[in-house]
Amino acid sequence: DIVLTQSPALAVSLGQRATISCRASQSVSISRYNLMHWYQQKPGQQPKLLIYRASNLASGIPARFSGSGSGTDFTLTINPVQADDIATYYCQQSRESPPTFGGGTKLELK
Amino acid sequence: EVQLVESGGGLVQPGRSMKLSCAASGFTFSNYGMAWVRQAPTKGLEWVATISYDGSSTYYRDSVKGRFTISRDNAKSTLYLQMNSLRSEDTATYYCTRPFYYYDGTYYYERWGQGVMVTVSS
Repeated sequence: DIVLTQSPALAVSLGQRATISCRASQSVSISRYNLMHWYQQKPGQQPKLLIYRASNLASGIPARFSGSGSGTDFTLTINPVQADDIATYYCQQSRESPPTFGGGTKLELK
Repeated sequence: EVQLVESGGGLVQPGRSMKLSCAASGFTFSNYGMAWVRQAPTKGLEWVATISYDGSSTYYRDSVKGRFTISRDNAKSTLYLQMNSLRSEDTATYYCTRPFYYYDGTYYYERWGQGVMVTVSS
């Protein structure tokens, strides 16, 4: 299985930039497609799709969210961070079965 | 509006069975593959099973193979997860999800239900 590694937590100040990383144990890219996706989960809620294929913003997601990366290293950036962004963020790969998720990064206020 | 509403969870003893349902609305259910993803308390997300749009193909994570069965009734726009021989490690919130598939078979989880809690305990 492809293992996705995320830092458990990140502390950030409101209005600043947050950079959340996800590292895969092997490449999750096929030709020009990067099969890494990002989800946001607030306490007591279901996950919500933020970014698909590494850099594509899902419908209805604010432009302060962006994604980048290829191969094994991917980044979710939130700039500027707003109070509503306090949540846990998960990366997920669909390059190989089984699909796997990272352990999640909890975004906290500094 | 796309809606996925899970039901059927609760407390169950180890070794017993439970069946989850997911009622779908707001889209043509029979056109979409569907999946279950679970989350143990205070833990991360874990894919459980996937079923093709017509039910002809099913896929499971190793730890549930032979115990869980994913199925669907397209006439009722409902997805199911039959869980047998339940273990304490199956305790989790189970989410019904609708993947978006590209023509090349790659996908991501576009829509999620609100989840249903399953507790396996004596």
